[in-house]
Amino acid sequence: DAGVIQSPRHEVTEMGQEVTLRCKPISGHDYLFWYRQTMMRGLELLIYFNNNVPIDDSGMPEDRFSAKMPNASFSTLKIQPSEPRDSAVYFCASSLGPGADTQYFGPGTRLTVL
Amino acid sequence: GDSVTQMEGPVTLSEEAFLTINCTYTATGYPSLFWYVQYPGEGLQLLLKATKADDKGSNKGFEATYRKETTSFHLEKGSVQVSDSAVYFCALNSALSGGTSYGKLTFGQGTILTVHP
Repeated sequence: DAGVIQSPRHEVTEMGQEVTLRCKPISGHDYLFWYRQTMMRGLELLIYFNNNVPIDDSGMPEDRFSAKMPNASFSTLKIQPSEPRDSAVYFCASSLGPGADTQYFGPGTRLTVL
Repeated sequence: GDSVTQMEGPVTLSEEAFLTINCTYTATGYPSLFWYVQYPGEGLQLLLKATKADDKGSNKGFEATYRKETTSFHLEKGSVQVSDSAVYFCALNSALSGGTSYGKLTFGQGTILTVHP
């Protein structure tokens, strides 16, 4: 398997623009997670899905952030409008199940908002 | 709520030195415990895990024992290599009593390890 695939790997945009990050989980995995990593705040869980349904979005910072999972093989994280403080590395991860199941992380998208 | 506390970094060692990275946790129920490693420019990957008290996880020379009495899961390696330089994250997955578990992980803040030749 190719692992978790994220695109783009790098994104540079200007404040106020819409940004869409994409993720393809490992086939057969029922759980999908979006994380954000910054030096100041470390690794934060933004939202996670089970069988394409959002289960916990309490980590989504504000209404400018939205996430969708239209099918088992694709998810998006959208920021509209973007702000400089959104600059971070965004990771997508997937797992077969909850609990002790391993989460497999993608390579991340490094977002810079100017 | 659940939380994970790791020792402050960064940690700098010479090759072949002994490594310990401390991790303690607070959780309800019966958590599973994990160590993830992040190499420069990459995503996190699982290093080892333990699912119940007194279990020992091990991989690539790294070990950690699930100590319920001290709520700890310290990472150790007897002889580090330059290639072990990375950021190490301790994490837990809480479970309600009875075995039903949540899907999400709670991570510590990460510990940067640098190993010099």
